[in-house]
Amino acid sequence: EVVLTQSPGTLSLSPGERATLSCRASQSVSSSYIAWYQQKPGQAPRLLIYGASSRATGIPDRFSGGGSGTDFTLTISRLEPEDSAVYYCQQYGSSPKTFGQGTKVEIK
Amino acid sequence: QVQLQESGPGLVKPSQTLSLTCTVSGGSISSGSHYWSWIRQPAGKGLEWIGRIYTSGFTVDNPSLKSRVTISVDTSKNQFSLKLSAVTAADTAVYYCARDDRDSSGYWGGYFDYWGQGTLVTVSS
Repeated sequence: EVVLTQSPGTLSLSPGERATLSCRASQSVSSSYIAWYQQKPGQAPRLLIYGASSRATGIPDRFSGGGSGTDFTLTISRLEPEDSAVYYCQQYGSSPKTFGQGTKVEIK
Repeated sequence: QVQLQESGPGLVKPSQTLSLTCTVSGGSISSGSHYWSWIRQPAGKGLEWIGRIYTSGFTVDNPSLKSRVTISVDTSKNQFSLKLSAVTAADTAVYYCARDDRDSSGYWGGYFDYWGQGTLVTVSS
């Protein structure tokens, strides 16, 4: 099973700042099969990024993904108050599909 | 717009079987264009993929659940269901159903682009 480790645990930034979230895999994720989700309290996760760098439908271009192999990142270029949430990475390069433990983004 | 809605008992006794159904609207399970998955999330914790089903009835599940999982599909009702046997308090969680991408990766499926709102299932006597 591929273990995904996300860092940092919590990120506290001001509106307009840039957020960089990390997701490290215990083994190489084939074909960059990494997705990123945003989850707000009491809500289901929302797909942001798939294939490591492709934005899902309707996702603003301030969200971008990158990386390959074992190291992946989600970048939020200009934070807005509504970006306050927990962000999860997920790998689907092998079974079972697994998620990271999440990074909480707080807006000051 | 695809919508998914979970339904089922919110309280299950230890050692019994948890049963949930996901009703899909705005899209057809029988089209075969996607897989359909169950995912759970204990309170304050991360997400765990439980398993997925295809319109044919072919399933793939997470070995961590030690063969306690049964996922089935009823294309006539556009629903798929989850049964989790021999539950314990550790199975207390919000359970989500989700649409699972079929075009990427392998037979186990891909990312989840539409989710239900989730339903809390508590295991307690």
